[in-house]
Amino acid sequence: AQKVTQAQTEISVVEKEDVTLDCVYETRDTTYYLFWYKQPPSGELVFLIRRNSFDEQNEISGRYSWNFQKSTSSFNFTITASQVVDSAVYFCALSEDFGNEKLTFGTGTRLTIIP
Amino acid sequence: GAVVSQHPSWVICKSGTSVKIECRSLDFQATTMFWYRQFPKQSLMLMATSNEGSKATYEQGVEKDKFLINHASLTLSTLTVTSAHPEDSSFYICSARRDRAGRDTQYFGPGTRLTVL
Repeated sequence: AQKVTQAQTEISVVEKEDVTLDCVYETRDTTYYLFWYKQPPSGELVFLIRRNSFDEQNEISGRYSWNFQKSTSSFNFTITASQVVDSAVYFCALSEDFGNEKLTFGTGTRLTIIP
Repeated sequence: GAVVSQHPSWVICKSGTSVKIECRSLDFQATTMFWYRQFPKQSLMLMATSNEGSKATYEQGVEKDKFLINHASLTLSTLTVTSAHPEDSSFYICSARRDRAGRDTQYFGPGTRLTVL
């Protein structure tokens, strides 16, 4: 069975600080996909990134960066120079089935950026 | 980018009534759609996988007779909550998988907030 753990339930940081959201996953498959989604107060899920298990290269997109470590089964997400608009709930998710994409979500981390 | 819509965006109903929620892929065809449920301040839980032209596949613990899913076309899946009760109040989110060779991508709808009185 697959499982995604986001140990941080809530995080608050002051604007412009960097913040890292942790994600640890469990899966028996050798091929899988990892995702991060943002859910602002409106409720709509915003796709941030998808990474397959064969690609361990870290990725940077503007103020966002992701660190994928297969050795520790982690896929952490860092926001640098945080902004108030980053306030949201962030979900890490795992998909084992290529071409199916049944997603298992973590419990989410509620991030609050304090102006 | 691909767009998925849901209708209605919110609904309030009396206990015992049935509610239908629509999920549409607006600019692509989706042979597979997914239905998730999210209780307040909780994570999304997959309820079922909806396949066009065939029966939906339900996750363990989800009552198929209570949550009826119909995927009659490549752009529309419906979820009907039958004989709704207050405990069914939740945020229901659908997603549609866009089939691309080697690059399947899942797009989420904006969600439907159901309140059962």
